[in-house]
Amino acid sequence: SQQGEEDPQALSIQEGENATMNCSYKTSINNLQWYRQNSGRGLVHLILIRSNEREKHSGRLRVTLDTSKKSSSLLITASRAADTASYFCAGANQAGTALIFGKGTTLSVSS
Amino acid sequence: EPEVTQTPSHQVTQMGQEVILRCVPISNHLYFYWYRQILGQKVEFLVSFYNNEISEKSEIFDDQFSVERPDGSNFTLKIRSTKLEDSAMYFCANLKGNTGELFFGEGSRLTVL
Repeated sequence: SQQGEEDPQALSIQEGENATMNCSYKTSINNLQWYRQNSGRGLVHLILIRSNEREKHSGRLRVTLDTSKKSSSLLITASRAADTASYFCAGANQAGTALIFGKGTTLSVSS
Repeated sequence: EPEVTQTPSHQVTQMGQEVILRCVPISNHLYFYWYRQILGQKVEFLVSFYNNEISEKSEIFDDQFSVERPDGSNFTLKIRSTKLEDSAMYFCANLKGNTGELFFGEGSRLTVL
């Protein structure tokens, strides 16, 4: 079953603007993670937020988690052209042994 | 940063042929995963492997698929009798300690003709 569902599917912004991506999931999770994928490449881990956390920051990244709504958001501040990529959320099951990914948000940042 | 290495980077095969994709995981990482991504689509969980046994598998991971650790270090995904719809990127991943963070390889692109 699909654990993560990102929204929007595609997002185009100008350099310097903020980008916000949302993720909804269906079942209880142990943690939720965001990954980035450049075209044709592997996924790179960005940030992890545990089910008992509400917000986390890492550099220009800010992630929130609302377990009551089963949703998360990823904010990239002051975006750069190099942020152009697909971004995926993934929920870890209760055993923490499997990450199930959503369909991803494709972010395009133009200079 | 330790790396997960996958080979081949690209394999072209005829429908009905067997394919073996290989992964060299990060040493001392005990959980291994295989994911599949059809071009332009989501990343789909196939199977997780722990301590030389399958710990979890998805509906996609049917009898056509198998995973092994043939020599205790490398980690393989075998696809028997490939079908056109098996064309995809196949990613191997290791779990980082207790964080749940996955380290992904660069993937093996499989093209079935």
